[in-house]
Amino acid sequence: AQSVTQLGSHVSVSEGALVLLRCNYSSSVPPYLFWYVQYPNQGLQLLLKYTSAATLVKGINGFEAEFKKSETSFHLTKPSAHMSDAAEYFCAASSGGYQKVTFGIGTKLQVIP
Amino acid sequence: EAGVAQSPRYKIIEKRQSVAFWCNPISGHATLYWYQQILGQGPKLLIQFQNNGVVDDSQLPKDRFSAERLKGVDSTLKIQPAKLEDSAVYLCASSQDRGTEAFFGQGTRLTVV
Repeated sequence: AQSVTQLGSHVSVSEGALVLLRCNYSSSVPPYLFWYVQYPNQGLQLLLKYTSAATLVKGINGFEAEFKKSETSFHLTKPSAHMSDAAEYFCAASSGGYQKVTFGIGTKLQVIP
Repeated sequence: EAGVAQSPRYKIIEKRQSVAFWCNPISGHATLYWYQQILGQGPKLLIQFQNNGVVDDSQLPKDRFSAERLKGVDSTLKIQPAKLEDSAVYLCASSQDRGTEAFFGQGTRLTVV
């Protein structure tokens, strides 16, 4: 079974600063990995996904994530934070496709003006 | 393209009462998911339908939760009787098929008092 660990339930960055949200997974097989964003009172929106192709994955809104098998990590980054990036971010994993997706507990990103 | 519709958006009930949530997926989507998102946790899959058949309900508390998708389109999730620990956001998602991206509705926030 998959498990996903997100380090830091709350992260604060200044507007314009680098965003780094950490995610580690445990899997005995190469997983599918996802990052979702959830704005207040909204459903989840897919930011990006890794499906065993390129290890550096680019997503929407300027976010990207790098799959590092040796570190079992899939950290999410954005070079310059914008106020509109304030939301909760979920890392998720599955052993195949969008089925049986296991979510992390989420990281709330606060962007300080 | 219309998104996943859920109703109601909010519901407050007393423990031991019954409640039902409704979900209308994106037109043509064969796969439908119900997730439970407890405050401070990531979403947890309760049940997955493929058309009107259940694919996975391993995490559904079947003594009190039930779900149906009779005509393979919209779906209802019922809790009877509700417990305090059922307070959560219930998210519905749909995808074209099992291996494709899932799109989430805004969720129903249930408070059991």
